[in-house]
Amino acid sequence: QVQLVESGGGVVQPGRSLRLSCAASGFSFSLYTMHWVRQAPGKGLEWVAVLSSDGGDKSYADSVKGRFTISRDNSKHALYLQINGLIIEDTAVYFCARFGEFQRALDIWGQGTMVTVSS
Amino acid sequence: EIVLTQSPGTLSLSPGERATLSCRASQSVASSYLAWYQQKPGQAPRLLIFGASSRATGIPDRFSGSGSGTDFTLTISRLEPEDFAVYYCQQYGSSPFTFGPGTKVDI
Repeated sequence: QVQLVESGGGVVQPGRSLRLSCAASGFSFSLYTMHWVRQAPGKGLEWVAVLSSDGGDKSYADSVKGRFTISRDNSKHALYLQINGLIIEDTAVYFCARFGEFQRALDIWGQGTMVTVSS
Repeated sequence: EIVLTQSPGTLSLSPGERATLSCRASQSVASSYLAWYQQKPGQAPRLLIFGASSRATGIPDRFSGSGSGTDFTLTISRLEPEDFAVYYCQQYGSSPFTFGPGTKVDI
């Protein structure tokens, strides 16, 4: 079935780096634009980044620009989020999501991976 | 950046009642690129409405979306017990693709 599975979260110290992964299955991953969205504990959803199907176009939220890098490997059906210089405010569940072809919005979501930034 | 404001923050209703949720944008949302999502505790969000008024696959017809420009509405015609959740609007007409702060629908 159509599925996204995130991994790579954990507890990390401020200033360190982390790479999150999102494994896609059940659909033609290379045809879809992909997003990362995060949610701090007890808070609302915050859009983080978007990457076009071929990896050529990307955009970031101002709050993460310069520290986060979104990328993909279509041969591996995988989406990534490299996070450098982690700060306390990056503590959140990170979701990857597919931008639908016909249902033009974030139509498929992963279950999320938790990142906790703490000394 | 387009800022989305949702009201009310919390809506206290009973099963069978009608829920009306508002999402207002700080500037016009291009081509009605406005979506609504439902999120329950511990779960990922679920797409309900895209393009301001189109229901996503499998979404019951008690959910409906309307609006254009800067004012959008999600209506749940008759609340079922499973509808008590938090609802977010999102605009994807221009980057950054911002979310609203959410409306909690509770009993």
